[in-house]
Amino acid sequence: DTGVSQDPRHKITKRGQNVTFRCDPISEHNRLYWYRQTLGQGPEFLTYFQNEAQLEKSRLLSDRFSAERPKGSFSTLEIQRTEQGDSAMYLCASGRALDNTIYFGEGSWLTVV
Amino acid sequence: AQKVTQAQTEISVVEKEDVTLDCVYETRDTTYYLFWYKQPPSGELVFLIRRNSFDEQNEISGRYSWNFQKSTSSFNFTITASQVVDSAVYFCALRGDYKLSFGAGTTVTVRA
Repeated sequence: DTGVSQDPRHKITKRGQNVTFRCDPISEHNRLYWYRQTLGQGPEFLTYFQNEAQLEKSRLLSDRFSAERPKGSFSTLEIQRTEQGDSAMYLCASGRALDNTIYFGEGSWLTVV
Repeated sequence: AQKVTQAQTEISVVEKEDVTLDCVYETRDTTYYLFWYKQPPSGELVFLIRRNSFDEQNEISGRYSWNFQKSTSSFNFTITASQVVDSAVYFCALRGDYKLSFGAGTTVTVRA
């Protein structure tokens, strides 16, 4: 049983460029989450999918951010027109309704220069 | 709204000492779940323990133990006989319906 997988692990991009992160959850996990974590802080909730439906989006998720989970399996998080303030680690997590634990991936570090 | 407070920002101990991490939470949910996660320098959040709000029994799992007190909304976590490999940031988290709310984390440094 593999864990939550995220790609790429590290991304350096110039301000104004678009970036996309991919998350492969644990198989059979119907719940998928995206969190953002900045240095010295705890992870902050961004969005939640149950299967392919995006059920909640945080106000932290500006209109430059979009997340998808087209077939209810993997998910992508795209950031358009990146800003330096977007520099953070983006964490993906998955879980099942019958199991109250949420499991996290290793995160994708984004640096906007 | 849910809120998790970890008052300790950093703790430094010598190997083999016990470490207790404090966590206080706020929620209006009657059913909720409390978690402790460990985040080593690699970045991955590693699940350690979970406790349901309706089960206040405190347990020990290896070198980990926890003290859940609903009356004071606290969920403290203890590492017994700490080891250098325990050095990490530890997060307390609260889950009501489906999403986790995290505290700011406590950095634990175990010195040899």
